[in-house]
Amino acid sequence: EAGVTQSPTHLIKTRGQQATLRCSPISGHTSVYWYQQALGLGLQFLLWYDEGEERNRGNFPPRFSGRQFPNYSSELNVNALELEDSALYLCASSSWTGTDSNQPQHFGDGTRLSIL
Amino acid sequence: GIQVEQSPPDLILQEGANSTLRCNFSDSVNNLQWFHQNPWGQLINLFYIPSGTKQNGRLSATTVATERYSLLYISSSQTTDSGVYFCAVAGDAGNMLTFGGGTRLMVKP
Repeated sequence: EAGVTQSPTHLIKTRGQQATLRCSPISGHTSVYWYQQALGLGLQFLLWYDEGEERNRGNFPPRFSGRQFPNYSSELNVNALELEDSALYLCASSSWTGTDSNQPQHFGDGTRLSIL
Repeated sequence: GIQVEQSPPDLILQEGANSTLRCNFSDSVNNLQWFHQNPWGQLINLFYIPSGTKQNGRLSATTVATERYSLLYISSSQTTDSGVYFCAVAGDAGNMLTFGGGTRLMVKP
């Protein structure tokens, strides 16, 4: 069974540009989560999509956005890139049966975004 | 939101030694996971353990949900165990994981 796949592995951009990161969940998983791991800031929740809808977002500005497609894959878009957006972006997937029965998340290998 | 604290922040062991990593959380949880992040940044699932005890080879974990803590035991450590160990939890608000600050483990040969 294929795991969570992310692309690209590395991405180099300059300030002000836009970046698009992609994620394919494990087959059968409907929920996709995005996390940011910036140096010195730990792992922080960014966005959660399930069945094509945004279910929750973390404490990030609106220039961080995304979407989930009918096949449950997802894109994370970051507009107007800033130097502090340099980080490892991790995608995870899970099945989801409701808030009283959270399911384990499985992570991809991440996209390392560098802003010059 | 839920607060997660891990201890110790850093740990240096000699190969073959045993260790215990601790995770304290501030509220009831529906999801608790332990991960190992290797030097390449990959997050490896170790345990999904919102309550109870599990074992997988040299690793085992126990979560006492009523007292809001979880322990990860590593026995007979190997150099390949080096890396950062994260505890992450989710509660009633949804399955978004809140991560602790991690325990950085170095196992020396």
